[in-house]
Amino acid sequence: GAGVSQSPSNKVTEKGKDVELRCDPISGHTALYWYRQSLGQGLEFLIYFQGNSAPDKSGLPSDRFSAERTGGSVSTLTIQRTQQEDSAVYLCASRIDRGNEQFFGPGTRLTVL
Amino acid sequence: AQRVTQPEKLLSVFKGAPVELKCNYSYSGSPELFWYVQYSRQRLQLLLRHISRESIKGFTADLNKGETSFHLKKPFAQEEDSAMYYCALSGLGSNYKLTFGKGTLLTVNP
Repeated sequence: GAGVSQSPSNKVTEKGKDVELRCDPISGHTALYWYRQSLGQGLEFLIYFQGNSAPDKSGLPSDRFSAERTGGSVSTLTIQRTQQEDSAVYLCASRIDRGNEQFFGPGTRLTVL
Repeated sequence: AQRVTQPEKLLSVFKGAPVELKCNYSYSGSPELFWYVQYSRQRLQLLLRHISRESIKGFTADLNKGETSFHLKKPFAQEEDSAMYYCALSGLGSNYKLTFGKGTLLTVNP
């Protein structure tokens, strides 16, 4: 079946603009995660969804970052007033309810000029 | 706080040589440990997890709670093993969110 998909694959934006990144998890996966992969910082957890609710937002670096999930499926990560330090690859992963393996999407490479 | 340390950013070996990628962790409790791999231009994927005690593509990893380590080993490296390897930890009851090490880039030379 189809794996986790993310769009866009690349996004270049100007400092101060808002961006939206989209994740389509594997069908039936109730758990969804966002991570950020940046030079020097490695892979960092941002937020976790169980269904449509986000019980763990502890990794969001500032209030410019927000995310939502609708219909227990698609999730959108929004970054407002982007800064150059937001440049990174944003990864989405999903997991079936009774499993512990996360399946990763290909990522969105965000470049803030 | 939980932490994963991979002391080697780069590791280069020759084909047929043994390889060991080191991983140490810090966690107050019983963690689950994983190795994820990212081949060139591919997405991150699970290689193996300690709970399964399996060998995947000739790789094994043993959880050593005394040394808080989960080193990845392969007796005879192949060129196709060249990739970025990440050690990761999740705590029980932590929603399975992963804490990653910074990764080791393995290059297997012909």
